[in-house]
Amino acid sequence: EADIYQTPRYLVIGTGKKITLECSQTMGHDKMYWYQQDPGMELHLIHYSYGVNSTEKGDLSSESTVSRIRTEHFPLTLESARPSHTSQYLCASSESGAGGSWYNEQFFGPGTRLTVL
Amino acid sequence: AQTVTQSQPEMSVQEAETVTLSCTYDTSESDYYLFWYKQPPSRQMILVIRQEAYKQQNATENRFSVNFQKAAKSFSLKISDSQLGDAAMYFCAYRSARGGADGLTFGKGTHLIIQP
Repeated sequence: EADIYQTPRYLVIGTGKKITLECSQTMGHDKMYWYQQDPGMELHLIHYSYGVNSTEKGDLSSESTVSRIRTEHFPLTLESARPSHTSQYLCASSESGAGGSWYNEQFFGPGTRLTVL
Repeated sequence: AQTVTQSQPEMSVQEAETVTLSCTYDTSESDYYLFWYKQPPSRQMILVIRQEAYKQQNATENRFSVNFQKAAKSFSLKISDSQLGDAAMYFCAYRSARGGADGLTFGKGTHLIIQP
């Protein structure tokens, strides 16, 4: 079944740890995104990718980094986690295509809720 | 930069009644897309309805419809015959049609409560 997956769903770690949040999609989408959702529920784009070997920073500055070595995989890494990184992280994907709203729908994963102590 | 404003942090409606969630946005672009997404508690964000700015006709999906007023930069969501399963956070989102600008700009969300 075509879907978008995120692991882990919940993560509690100590300050200074390196972490990687995984995101995979089986829909063959070229475009992938990471959003940060703060406790007040507001969502901000932090990274996106148009395809393999393409990564761009989003509207909200983030200390995280991303990579896109395979089409289906878009992991997010924090080299040294801090309490300010506590948030929910949502991964999304969409098709590439010329025009039409169909190509603009973003499909979201279930999210990873990160708590840094 | 585009901004999206949802002025209602929380709305409550009786089951089977109709509720309207408001959304306004600010942009200097003429071509763009607007979306309403639903995020149930601890569940995935899903698309409710979409609207292309160049289309004058308001989008409709079963019990969900929008009132798109391009000149006023307004994009409200109407939910008819509200059901308990409609309880969720609702986010209004904007996406530019300009190539290269690809992410969604979200509003802060409206928490919809359905009273049985």
